[in-house]
Amino acid sequence: DSGVTQTPKHLITATGQRVTLRCSPRSGDLSVYWYQQSLDQGLQFLIQYYNGEERAKGNILERFSAQQFPDLHSELNLSSLELGDSALYFCASSVSPKWNTEAFFGQGTRLTVV
Amino acid sequence: AQSVAQPEDQVNVAEGNPLTVKCTYSVSGNPYLFWYVQYPNRGLQFLLKYITGDNLVKGSYGFEAEFNKSQTSFHLKKPSALVSDSALYFCAVRAVTGANNLFFGTGTRLTVIP
Repeated sequence: DSGVTQTPKHLITATGQRVTLRCSPRSGDLSVYWYQQSLDQGLQFLIQYYNGEERAKGNILERFSAQQFPDLHSELNLSSLELGDSALYFCASSVSPKWNTEAFFGQGTRLTVV
Repeated sequence: AQSVAQPEDQVNVAEGNPLTVKCTYSVSGNPYLFWYVQYPNRGLQFLLKYITGDNLVKGSYGFEAEFNKSQTSFHLKKPSALVSDSALYFCAVRAVTGANNLFFGTGTRLTVIP
């Protein structure tokens, strides 16, 4: 168990809808990362937060947004969902925002858009 | 531009034999290099990393990797494979002075045959 908790584990929703994925980082970790894993694009970095502030942005669509709250949990909001958004979404956390630090991954949320 | 390549989608090895999972990278300047492993229905688990220093890095579960700057490679190795090593392995890279993003390879599925 990595100590990173993601909810829900599975989510099925219709096109055009909006969903929120939740992540609780490991105790003591201030940095949270979101990744998308799909069959055609592999594992893609979406966004990083550190202590409540956005730190880095990757390949995140404008329809997607995220935030990190004062208690350090994070939420990834996906809106106007399309079939192509179906993927496994991972949250990871690390104690440092530096990119030479290993991250600890949650078990992921499997999103299916129908 | 930063990228990482895992040239083999699938590697099969007999239990007890040495295993190698290949990774080559492309970055401007010095790299941070990581190996992660993903078991079915689980998130990624950190195995080892190269930041600086000794080219031979030892990690979890008896794995090691050798950083070769001239060949821009970071192959994962283990002297004696176990059936329980069967999983999906990801190499990842980030340039020390590059953009805030961690680039993952497409993964190599390792199957250890009893």
